[in-house]
Amino acid sequence: QITLKESGPTLVKPTQTLTLTCTFSGFSLTTRGVSVGWIRQTPGKALEWLAFIYWDDDKRYSPSLKSRLTISKDTSKNQVVLTMTNMDPVDTATYYCAHRPFGGGFDPWGQGILVTVSS
Amino acid sequence: EIVLTQSPDFQSVTPKENVTITCRASQSIGGTVYWYQQKPDQSPKLLIKYASQSFSGVPSRFSDSGSGTDFTLTINSLEAEDAATYYCHQNNGLPWTFGQGTKVEIK
Repeated sequence: QITLKESGPTLVKPTQTLTLTCTFSGFSLTTRGVSVGWIRQTPGKALEWLAFIYWDDDKRYSPSLKSRLTISKDTSKNQVVLTMTNMDPVDTATYYCAHRPFGGGFDPWGQGILVTVSS
Repeated sequence: EIVLTQSPDFQSVTPKENVTITCRASQSIGGTVYWYQQKPDQSPKLLIKYASQSFSGVPSRFSDSGSGTDFTLTINSLEAEDAATYYCHQNNGLPWTFGQGTKVEIK
């Protein structure tokens, strides 16, 4: 059974850097074709893809946020880390990580973590 | 960026009715659209991927169709447990995008 869980701060101040960790089990991020992605959901419920990282360390970012995002993996710990710099109140959202098998959709998703950006 | 536009935004339906949700892409994305179901206070769940390859545990009343720019999710004989918001998603071209969601309410 594949599970993922997001962890990190639930409250950050404007201009701070957010670091989120996705800890997963039930699969290996060394398996060919597998990737882990980050998606956020605004309070209005819109879903926005942020980034993903492949088993071979290939990385892709949303162009609109690319300058602020960094994604990395630690296969020994079964973790994927997302950092987002210069946080703003508009970045307030629930952040999800999700497993993506080769050629598939995001399945499953973690439980999500609500991050509020406020001074 | 490929924009996905779903219609309708909201639908109130009586149990046993059929529901059709459409997802239109701003440019052709071939045959690959994914559908997610999100119930209140839950994470999105992958419901169907393209070519109606539904997942184990997903009721057979859910089906999809379409290609190119127009895709459809159909729920046959809606049940109360189907009350949720449904999203379409494409990963054919970067950036990956989602539709705005269609909320299905049970009358």
